[in-house]
Amino acid sequence: DIQMTQSPSTLSSSVGDRVTITCRAGQSISSWLAWYQLKPGKAPKLLIYKASSLESGVPSRFSGSGSGTEFTLTISSLQPDDSATYYCQQYNSYPRTFGQGTKVEIK
Amino acid sequence: QVQLQESGPGLVKPSETLSLTCTVSGGSISNYYWSWIRQPPGKGLDWIGYIYYSGSTNYNPSLKSRVTISVDTSKNQLSLKLSSVTAADTAVYYCARVRRGTGAFDYWGQGTLVTVSS
Repeated sequence: DIQMTQSPSTLSSSVGDRVTITCRAGQSISSWLAWYQLKPGKAPKLLIYKASSLESGVPSRFSGSGSGTEFTLTISSLQPDDSATYYCQQYNSYPRTFGQGTKVEIK
Repeated sequence: QVQLQESGPGLVKPSETLSLTCTVSGGSISNYYWSWIRQPPGKGLDWIGYIYYSGSTNYNPSLKSRVTISVDTSKNQLSLKLSSVTAADTAVYYCARVRRGTGAFDYWGQGTLVTVSS
């Protein structure tokens, strides 16, 4: 199994701040990486696929980058609605695996 | 707009079989891969397995001996059965659609909490 490691586990930032979450894969996954936003009681939301492709309807303040083993999700200007837990997921090989999540809190 | 809705018992006894259904509306189940994913309380996401609309499957080896995923195209539904459950199977269970040409999950249900307890 490919292990996915996210950092940090939790971050607290102010509205308007630039926020970066890192995801590291245990082996190269090319660009086969997605990012999701999870909020309690709501359907998870796909934000980014193929490492840097923005899903339709997702605000442009979200962006993804990276390839191989190191990836980042950036929120360019944090908004109150961005309070959530974010997960990366690799789809280079089976079984599909997720990072352990990063909880983003608004100060 | 594609919508997915999980349904099934919220409480299952240890050693019994967990059974859930995912109903897809606003789109056809055909020509897509569909998946089940779960999240134990306070933990991260675990991929359970895939099914193609034609019925071919791929399961997580960690659960393969206990999992069956099936599809009913006439009802636009997919199902999950997990046998011999224990407390470790307590989780929110999600169904999700796989984006064509990728392995990313583009539509998800809201999830349903299943508790394993006597």
